[in-house]
Amino acid sequence: GDSVTQMEGPVTLSEEAFLTINCTYTATGYPSLFWYVQYPGEGLQLLLKATKADDKGSNKGFEATYRKETTSFHLEKGSVQVSDSAVYFCALSYGQNFVFGPGTRLSVLP
Amino acid sequence: NAGVMQNPRHLVRRRGQEARLRCSPMKGHSHVYWYRQLPEEGLKFMVYLQKENIIDESGMPKERFSAEFPKEGPSILRIQQVVRGDSAAYFCASSRTGTAEPQHFGDGTRLSIL
Repeated sequence: GDSVTQMEGPVTLSEEAFLTINCTYTATGYPSLFWYVQYPGEGLQLLLKATKADDKGSNKGFEATYRKETTSFHLEKGSVQVSDSAVYFCALSYGQNFVFGPGTRLSVLP
Repeated sequence: NAGVMQNPRHLVRRRGQEARLRCSPMKGHSHVYWYRQLPEEGLKFMVYLQKENIIDESGMPKERFSAEFPKEGPSILRIQQVVRGDSAAYFCASSRTGTAEPQHFGDGTRLSIL
C-alpha cells in the first residue's frame, strides 16, 4: 500500500543553519505531496504542496521539489529560525488515500 | 473564514464514562477525517466520513469507538467506557473533495482519563 518514510528526529540545528528533512514515498500511482507543520499544542498546518512531478512547493522560506525518479519530496530551508521549531510531517494523497509520515521534530537553538 | 473547529479543547473523563468529541469542518468541506496522536508520536488515522456515510473506518477500534457525520451538524467521535489508554489528542481534518486535496486540521481535543 501507499506509505511515507521520513528521516528520524529529533533534528537539532543552530539558528541560520541549513535544513533538510528527507521524505520518500511509495504509491501505486502519482500522488499529490504535502508538508505539514505542527507547533506545540496545535493542530497540523499545511506548509506547502506539489501535485505533479518536478513541481516545487514553497512557503515561508521552505521548499520541496516533487522528484518522481527518486520518489522523494525533501523539505529544505536555507536559514532556520528559532520559531521554526516544530514537528514536520510529510504526506501523500492518492485517490481517497491520505497517508502521513511519522513526523520529524526540529529544534532550533539560538 | 472559520477553519476546522473542534470542541472541547480539553476533556477530562473518569474511567468508564463516555467521551464525545465534536468537529465542524471548514465551510464547503464535506469530507471529515479523525486522527489520534499520542504524546511524542505521529498521527494515527481512525476514520474517514462524508455526510451521512462512513467511507473508511479501518483505523478505528471495533469496540467502544464510533463516529458519525450527520446531514446537519458537526461530526462526532464517541468513545464509550473510556479507559486510561484512550488518553490522547484527537484531531479532526476536513477537505473539499477528498481526492488529492490538502486536509485542513482543527486544533484538536486533548482527552485525559483519570
